[in-house]
Amino acid sequence: AQSVTQLGSHVSVSEGALVLLRCNYSSSVPPYLFWYVQYPNQGLQLLLKYTSAATLVKGINGFEAEFKKSETSFHLTKPSAHMSDAAEYFCAVSDSTSGTYKYIFGTGTRLKVLA
Amino acid sequence: DGGITQSPKYLFRKEGQNVTLSCEQNLNHDAMYWYRQDPGQGLRLIYYSQIVNDFQKGDIAEGYSVSREKKESFPLTVTSAQKNPTAFYLCASLNPPRGYTFGSGTRLTVV
Repeated sequence: AQSVTQLGSHVSVSEGALVLLRCNYSSSVPPYLFWYVQYPNQGLQLLLKYTSAATLVKGINGFEAEFKKSETSFHLTKPSAHMSDAAEYFCAVSDSTSGTYKYIFGTGTRLKVLA
Repeated sequence: DGGITQSPKYLFRKEGQNVTLSCEQNLNHDAMYWYRQDPGQGLRLIYYSQIVNDFQKGDIAEGYSVSREKKESFPLTVTSAQKNPTAFYLCASLNPPRGYTFGSGTRLTVV
């Protein structure tokens, strides 16, 4: 079975500071990993994905994430936070072998950016 | 532009009433999914369909039903058997191995 754990349901950073949102996964098969962002009352937008190519993945809006198999982690980072980054972020894992592409989502991390 | 359209954006249901949430996509994706989102619980899979005229239960299918008569459409019915339907419902489609494309959601409230 697969699972995702997002550490910290709420994270606050100052504008211009480093953003680090943590995601650890559990999977018995090679995973696909994703980060999504959600603004209030909207759907989820894909930030970036890992599908077994490069372990450092760059996404939209200056975000990136590094797949670390030894640590079973896929943490999301951004060097300098912007006010517009305030949103909820979801990490997700998918089984790369079953063909059903059902995603398991974490419980989300709400990012607050302080002026 | 291609995308997923969910309607209505807000929906109110009376006790004992069935309601249907619409999900339409023009992305030509085979697979479609329905998720339920509750505060602090992330997204939970209700039903999914990988091809027309076929669908499977997800983790929380009780009290819900779906149909997939056309590739473009995957409506979700919340039946009176669903005792706690108040939530945000998200529809998604998938062109593997790319990530899901999500609709903008329907917020359902029981009144």
